[in-house]
Amino acid sequence: GIQVEQSPPDLILQEGANSTLRCNFSDSVNNLQWFHQNPWGQLINLFYIPSGTKQNGRLSATTVATERYSLLYISSSQTTDSGVYFCAVERPGGYNKLIFGAGTRLAVHP
Amino acid sequence: GAGVSQSPSNKVTEKGKDVELRCDPISGHTALYWYRQSLGQGLEFLIYFQGNSAPDKSGLPSDRFSAERTGGSVSTLTIQRTQQEDSAVYLCATRREANTEAFFGQGTRLTVV
Repeated sequence: GIQVEQSPPDLILQEGANSTLRCNFSDSVNNLQWFHQNPWGQLINLFYIPSGTKQNGRLSATTVATERYSLLYISSSQTTDSGVYFCAVERPGGYNKLIFGAGTRLAVHP
Repeated sequence: GAGVSQSPSNKVTEKGKDVELRCDPISGHTALYWYRQSLGQGLEFLIYFQGNSAPDKSGLPSDRFSAERTGGSVSTLTIQRTQQEDSAVYLCATRREANTEAFFGQGTRLTVV
């Protein structure tokens, strides 16, 4: 099956710093989502981005489907950005399941 | 409803007992997924429903696990004869149709003692 690799596995930042999280996938996908899992366990949708670039406030994401990777940019990080960031992909063919990467655990210190 | 709703939020059960976990999807969402997340781990797919049918049950870990969906809406995940290794957060996700965003509920934290 398709493999999803996220890097780095862990990241520690000082408040105000910028960071880039990466998601590599091993096969063609027709769906890619980024989620933030907050310390209470809730999965929050960040981006639905099978291709192209999107921005939402301090966050932006780029997916280059032909090269099988996606990047999540966090600028001017805040302590509330702490948590785990997951990338999830879906293979073409309809209602296939989302396959999750192992996540990047981010801690932002004041 | 406005979001995916799961109940209960927390469940503590004794080893060997059966439990039922419930998922209420967003109105109009035809696809429904169950995932499991063990402590500090990623999300493990369990089962997918399209309407009331389950074309993909490949993630169910044993025959103690079963799920159903009625009326194309509410889904119930049942775990029989619970074991300590079943302790995890069980998450439900739904989406309107293919190639659209999936949205997750807040999860049910199951603890088997």
